Amino acid sequence: KAGVTQTPRYLIKTRGQQVTLSCSPISGHRSVSWYQQTPGQGLQFLFEYFSETQRNKGNFPGRFSGRQFSNSRSEMNVSTLELGDSALYLCASSPEGRRVNTEAFFGQGTRLTVV
Amino acid sequence: DQQVKQNSPSLSVQEGRISILNCDYTNSMFDYFLWYKKYPAEGPTFLISISSIKDKNEDGRFTVFLNKSAKHLSLHIVPSQPGDSAVYFCAASAGAQKLVFGQGTRLTINP
Repeated sequence: KAGVTQTPRYLIKTRGQQVTLSCSPISGHRSVSWYQQTPGQGLQFLFEYFSETQRNKGNFPGRFSGRQFSNSRSEMNVSTLELGDSALYLCASSPEGRRVNTEAFFGQGTRLTVV
Repeated sequence: DQQVKQNSPSLSVQEGRISILNCDYTNSMFDYFLWYKKYPAEGPTFLISISSIKDKNEDGRFTVFLNKSAKHLSLHIVPSQPGDSAVYFCAASAGAQKLVFGQGTRLTINP
């Protein structure tokens, strides 16, 4: 079974630009969550999508948005990039069940650098 | 508001000895706890979990202890091996809500 695939792996953008990151979950998984990892802050939850609907949302500004397609693939978008948005963005997929956000399987992440 | 805290950014342990990683939480609604391990340039991988109805869960060299009254959990690795060198994250959830992660502890196993 293929794992979670995130593209691209590395990205360099300029302040003010916008960026779209992609995540393909494990086949059969319908829940996709996005996290931002920065040094000293651990993994900060961005949002979770389940069956094309945003089900949970973290405390990030509206510049961060996402969506999920009917095949469960998900994209996240960051508009008007700031230097502080430089981070590793991780996507995780989870199987169905009462605890859809536990034992999440992570992708390798997209390293975004804003210059 | 950091609901899950790992107060030790790093830990160094000799190969063959016990590694103990600690995690504290503040939200009494958390009822499921997990540990993840992360190598550089890779995503975190699930290691072990524990439900709030238990106080201990064991899987091979890894044991997680939960002290609900102290809102504290710990991960014990015995014996520690060089391949255990990684960043370890604890995480918690309440019901079907999002996973809340700690800041991570970098474990280094010295030969």
